[in-house]
Amino acid sequence: KNQVEQSPQSLIILEGKNCTLQCNYTVSPFSNLRWYKQDTGRGPVSLTIMTFSENTKSNGRYTATLDADTKQSSLHITASQLSDSASYLCVVSDSSASKIIFGSGTRLSIRP
Amino acid sequence: SQTIHQWPATLVQPVGSPLSLECTVEGTSNPNLYWYRQAAGRGLQLLFYSVGIGQISSEVPQNLSASRPQDRQFILSSKKLLLSDSGFYLCAWRIGGAFRNTEAFFGQGTRLTVV
Repeated sequence: KNQVEQSPQSLIILEGKNCTLQCNYTVSPFSNLRWYKQDTGRGPVSLTIMTFSENTKSNGRYTATLDADTKQSSLHITASQLSDSASYLCVVSDSSASKIIFGSGTRLSIRP
Repeated sequence: SQTIHQWPATLVQPVGSPLSLECTVEGTSNPNLYWYRQAAGRGLQLLFYSVGIGQISSEVPQNLSASRPQDRQFILSSKKLLLSDSGFYLCAWRIGGAFRNTEAFFGQGTRLTVV
């Protein structure tokens, strides 16, 4: 069964601090992994995509890593801002490019 | 540019009533289309996906069905709603075919409450 698991379920940090979110997956055959940000009551928006051959990718204060051997990914947020408060979803696509499997998400809250 | 429309934004329906949620995409042809459901505080569960007109794949056996009567139209339906059908429903699209690393774009969602 294709699965995507994320940890922690929720996280509270102070503004300006860094944090790292984790994602493990069993989707096979693997095509790519994306991290999405979802504000409450809205649809998710993509932050970054990683394919099999990529180990790390940055998008501003967001840095994603991928270890395709262990099937793990992380999203590191640097110098957090209040606007970073949202749910962060790890999303894996299989090689058929048809299925898009979401993790359950990490609810991140940034406190001033 | 491409846009995705999903409606209605909110819906309150009694148990046992039918359901029809519609999603349309503009500005692209032959997209892959998806329906997801998100329970409160949870991730997105893939319900159905479609790679072409009349082609529907179901991920989870349930009280819902999907149809794709036109290339850029995706409909989520139910004949009789259950309380457990309450949730946030999201439609998404992405480029179909060989473009496997393209992003999925989401509609704004429908908040369904079954009472």
